[in-house]
Amino acid sequence: DTGVSQNPRHKITKRGQNVTFRCDPISEHNRLYWYRQTLGQGPEFLTYFQNEAQLEKSRLLSDRFSAERPKGSFSTLEIQRTEQGDSAMYLCASGQANTEAFFGQGTRLTVV
Amino acid sequence: GNSVTQMEGPVTLSEEAFLTINCTYTATGYPSLFWYVQYPGEGLQLLLKATKADDKGSNKGFEATYRKETTSFHLEKGSVQVSDSAVYFCALISRGGADGLTFGKGTHLIIQP
Repeated sequence: DTGVSQNPRHKITKRGQNVTFRCDPISEHNRLYWYRQTLGQGPEFLTYFQNEAQLEKSRLLSDRFSAERPKGSFSTLEIQRTEQGDSAMYLCASGQANTEAFFGQGTRLTVV
Repeated sequence: GNSVTQMEGPVTLSEEAFLTINCTYTATGYPSLFWYVQYPGEGLQLLLKATKADDKGSNKGFEATYRKETTSFHLEKGSVQVSDSAVYFCALISRGGADGLTFGKGTHLIIQP
């Protein structure tokens, strides 16, 4: 297993467009997390899945954001009608319950 | 809710100096505590962890001890190297794990030769 994989690594989009990111977790992990990181800040929790169930969503996650994890495998994070304030690094991590998470390299989103 | 406070950076040290990066936390119950490191251009990597009071996590010469009485998890290294230059994040997760990991804002460490 090569660890958590995220695609694409970079995405530039025009304001108002929709974007979708993909995360492939470590295969034996039942938890999958999405975080957002802006320059000079620590990662901010967005949402997480236990297997295919989405168990928690941050107040940061507006209704323009949606995440799925069909069949408890890979996950997608979609942002609709992107805004400049959405520009950030989007991090995916996987792990087992109540313990550390292993992070992917992230997807850097730039909204122009 | 949970929160993590760590010392502001950047922290600039000379090679072979002693390092301390302070981290304190607020959490419900008894969380597990972590230090992550982010090297330039790379993702976050787990550096060390401690899951209960008085546990000491260690890795690559770095150590941190889970102090319940002071709600702290300070990161230390006896002799830093230029290759230790990175951003260090203190984090916690509560039992039950709602909200996942909570991170501090990070401390940028710069080691000069």
